[in-house]
Amino acid sequence: EAGVAQSPRYKIIEKRQSVAFWCNPISGHATLYWYQQILGQGPKLLIQFQNNGVVDDSQLPKDRFSAERLKGVDSTLKIQPAKLEDSAVYLCASSSLAGRFYNEQFFGPGTRLTVL
Amino acid sequence: AQTVTQSQPEMSVQEAETVTLSCTYDTSESDYYLFWYKQPPSRQMILVIRQEAYKQQNATENRFSVNFQKAAKSFSLKISDSQLGDAAMYFCAYRSGQGGSEKLVFGKGTKLTVNP
Repeated sequence: EAGVAQSPRYKIIEKRQSVAFWCNPISGHATLYWYQQILGQGPKLLIQFQNNGVVDDSQLPKDRFSAERLKGVDSTLKIQPAKLEDSAVYLCASSSLAGRFYNEQFFGPGTRLTVL
Repeated sequence: AQTVTQSQPEMSVQEAETVTLSCTYDTSESDYYLFWYKQPPSRQMILVIRQEAYKQQNATENRFSVNFQKAAKSFSLKISDSQLGDAAMYFCAYRSGQGGSEKLVFGKGTKLTVNP
C-alpha cells in the first residue's frame, strides 16, 4: 500500500512570494491533516479535513494561508505572501475512519520550505 | 488547552543499553490517547507506540514500552536493547478522545543519540 505522498520535498523562495504544497493521502483515508513543524519544535496542526469539509482550521493564519481538498482526495496548501517565519517543514498526514488502523495518523515525508 | 512537555532536549545511550524518555501532559479530559513518534533525519514521522487512557495496562511493542501514570499525567518511553537505528527525534503526542478535531498535540521532542 502506498504511503502519503507530498511534493515538492524542498522549496526555497523569497519573502512576499507565493508557494503551494501538494499532498496525496493513503487511498481510502477520509481525514487529511496539514501540520507545520518549525525547527526545534514539534508539529502543530494547521488544518484538518474530513472528506472535503474542514473540521479544524483554528490555527491556520488565514490572512496568508489557504488550503483546499476539493474532491475529498488530494489537497493543496498555499502561502501568499510568504514571511520569513514561515520557514518550516510542512507535514501532511491522513487517517481512516475504519479498519485496523482506525484514526491512526500516517505521515508523509514533508516539504521543507525556506523563506529568504 | 492541552499541553505536552518533554523536559529532555537530548539523550544518549550506549548500543544494547536501555534508555527512558520522559513526557508529561496537561489535560482536563478523561478520554484521550497518547503516542510516541519517531522522526529520523528523513523527516517522516513514524508511530512507535500508542496508549489509550482508559487502559491501565502499559502498552508494549517489542523493545519499546511505556510507563503510563494517569494520575501524575506522565507518559515515559523505555527503549530496551538500543540499536543504532533507534537514533532519531522522539516526540510525545496527545490526542483528545472526545470527537471533533483529532489533532495531535506534540511536545518539543527529544533527540536520541545511540553510541556504538
